[in-house]
Amino acid sequence: EVQLVESGGGLVQPGGSLRLSCAASGFTFSNYWMSWVRQAPGKGLEWVANINRDGSETYYVDSVKGRFSISRDNAKKSLYLQINSLRVEDTAVYYCVRMRWLRSGDAFDIWGQGTMVTVSS
Amino acid sequence: DIQMTQSPSSLSASVGDRVTITCRASQSISNSLNWYQQKPGKAPKLLIYAASSLQSGVPSRFSGSGSGTDFTLTISSLQPEDFATYYCQQSYNIRFTFGPGTEVDIK
Repeated sequence: EVQLVESGGGLVQPGGSLRLSCAASGFTFSNYWMSWVRQAPGKGLEWVANINRDGSETYYVDSVKGRFSISRDNAKKSLYLQINSLRVEDTAVYYCVRMRWLRSGDAFDIWGQGTMVTVSS
Repeated sequence: DIQMTQSPSSLSASVGDRVTITCRASQSISNSLNWYQQKPGKAPKLLIYAASSLQSGVPSRFSGSGSGTDFTLTISSLQPEDFATYYCQQSYNIRFTFGPGTEVDIK
């Protein structure tokens, strides 16, 4: 079964750090670009970051540049998101997502169950 | 960045109704447009990719159309399990963006 399982979320104070992990199974992890997408409570979806197959290219939404870092370990079939200098507005469910090239563009075809990050003092 | 808008933001409909949701991009994105369905407490699910292609396993009552800047998602006959929030997303630019969502609830 194709699956993504996130971990590492929790309650953290403003200015703190967390490292989110995502374990992939059921597919050849190294063949796919991967992403993180977040959703604040009661709000819509926001793309956060992408990483290419070998980890040499990364892209971020402007609001997290310089604070978040996406990385991967293909040998461990794992995706990571290092989040630093956390702000209250970073409170959200963070989803690990597989990108798949479908016809004319990428789509997010496999989603994890999400891990909650709460930033509060 | 490419901005995405959706209309309406919410709608009430009955089982069996035909439902149409519109998505607009701030610039032309060709047909690099995807649609997702999200139910409360669950992860989103891919419904339509490349504007009009049905993802495997998605019922045929869902369809998508459009190109350039204007796109639509249509549910031909709304079923009880279709009450959810629907998001469009552009993949024309690697810095992907989502629309704000359209909540479909029961009339």
